[in-house]
Amino acid sequence: KNEVEQSPQNLTAQEGEFITINCSYSVGISALHWLQQHPGGGIVSLFMLSSGKKKHGRLIATINIQEKHSSLHITASHPRDSAVYICAPHPNYGGSQGNLIFGKGTKLSVKP
Amino acid sequence: DAGVTQSPTHLIKTRGQQVTLRCSPKSGHDTVSWYQQALGQGPQFIFQYYEEEERQRGNFPDRFSGHQFPNYSSELNVNALLLGDSALYLCASSLLGRTSETQYFGPGTRLLVL
Repeated sequence: KNEVEQSPQNLTAQEGEFITINCSYSVGISALHWLQQHPGGGIVSLFMLSSGKKKHGRLIATINIQEKHSSLHITASHPRDSAVYICAPHPNYGGSQGNLIFGKGTKLSVKP
Repeated sequence: DAGVTQSPTHLIKTRGQQVTLRCSPKSGHDTVSWYQQALGQGPQFIFQYYEEEERQRGNFPDRFSGHQFPNYSSELNVNALLLGDSALYLCASSLLGRTSETQYFGPGTRLLVL
């Protein structure tokens, strides 16, 4: 079983829709990243959070450490949000950071 | 302030050859991590360098080696290339031990092994 599970794997939405991407993980973590990867390959870190909720523009990320679950929400989605969104926890079983583990990503396509 | 840079952007090699990929971290960062991302998959951790030493390593064979220089830049070397080594290789930089710091990713080097 993968240590990080994301759902859905693929998501198609109409412009303006509210989008939720879920991430569940099985290891203890110190923090969790949500990353955005565009077709060129470059990765941008959207959020790093260890508790509660963070908001940046139309993006909201939440995490429940006890339930080992995080969600990424996009409000008023736009075609430029089309990308692969990757959940990447920082495991703490190694006692240190740096070796992020990654979900397989959720491919989002927002249609105009 | 330059972010993380990687070179080359694309590379084509044949089986059995050796390749060297390069990464310059974000200004002020001292730690470099390397990841391999196969097509359609999430990245996999290869190793991390700090103070010119390999600090942690993922589940990759010894054909994958690296180096960090005094200016914190890093190289990833892969010997005896296999077809399965074809992937996007990502470098990320961070500050060691700073739990409040995020990792900054470079644009990646896309390696194709024929």
